[in-house]
Amino acid sequence: EAQVTQNPRYLITVTGKKLTVTCSQNMNHEYMSWYRQDPGLGLRQIYYSMNVEVTDKGDVPEGYKVSRKEKRNFPLILESPSPNQTSLYFCASSLTGTGGLQETQYFGPGTRLLVL
Amino acid sequence: EDKVVQSPLSLVVHEGDTVTLNCSYEVTNFRSLLWYKQEKKAPTFLFMLTSSGIEKKSGRLSSILDKKELFSILNITATQTGDSAVYLCAPRGSNYKLTFGKGTLLTVNP
Repeated sequence: EAQVTQNPRYLITVTGKKLTVTCSQNMNHEYMSWYRQDPGLGLRQIYYSMNVEVTDKGDVPEGYKVSRKEKRNFPLILESPSPNQTSLYFCASSLTGTGGLQETQYFGPGTRLLVL
Repeated sequence: EDKVVQSPLSLVVHEGDTVTLNCSYEVTNFRSLLWYKQEKKAPTFLFMLTSSGIEKKSGRLSSILDKKELFSILNITATQTGDSAVYLCAPRGSNYKLTFGKGTLLTVNP
């Protein structure tokens, strides 16, 4: 089954304790992206990757890191989480990201993060 | 800075009503516009629009884009309670980035 998976789905942590949220897709997609969703602010892009070893900042990259060493995986790293990073996080992927006919973007199930 | 404004922010209708959701945008190097439906989970894809004036249809849902006036509408006819959700509009611009609107919360009452 074609899908985007994220782990963990729920996480409670404390300020300053490094964490990684994994994202994996099995559709051989080149484009992957991370979003955070907050009430009243909607979905905002954190980072995106057009292909392996190619990443770029979205609208709200501060406090986050990403890596794209393999096509299927795009982990989100919070080196020193703070309470303002409490949010619902979505990973998404699409075939190429170029806006062509096959540019449906598939979302993972979401990771709900609480930073105390 | 790319901007997306969706209206109305929320809407309550009865089953069987027809609704029109609006999305206006300003993005650099516009490429396409996507509509998503979000219930209490991840957004699910509805439509992608790239050309003006060509209506996309899927059952009771349809959408159209006006690239000159920079807006799109999503129509839902004969609404059902299962249509209750947040509908998100997302134009794709420079660097292939998607910018999401804040969404329209649609509530369909029986």
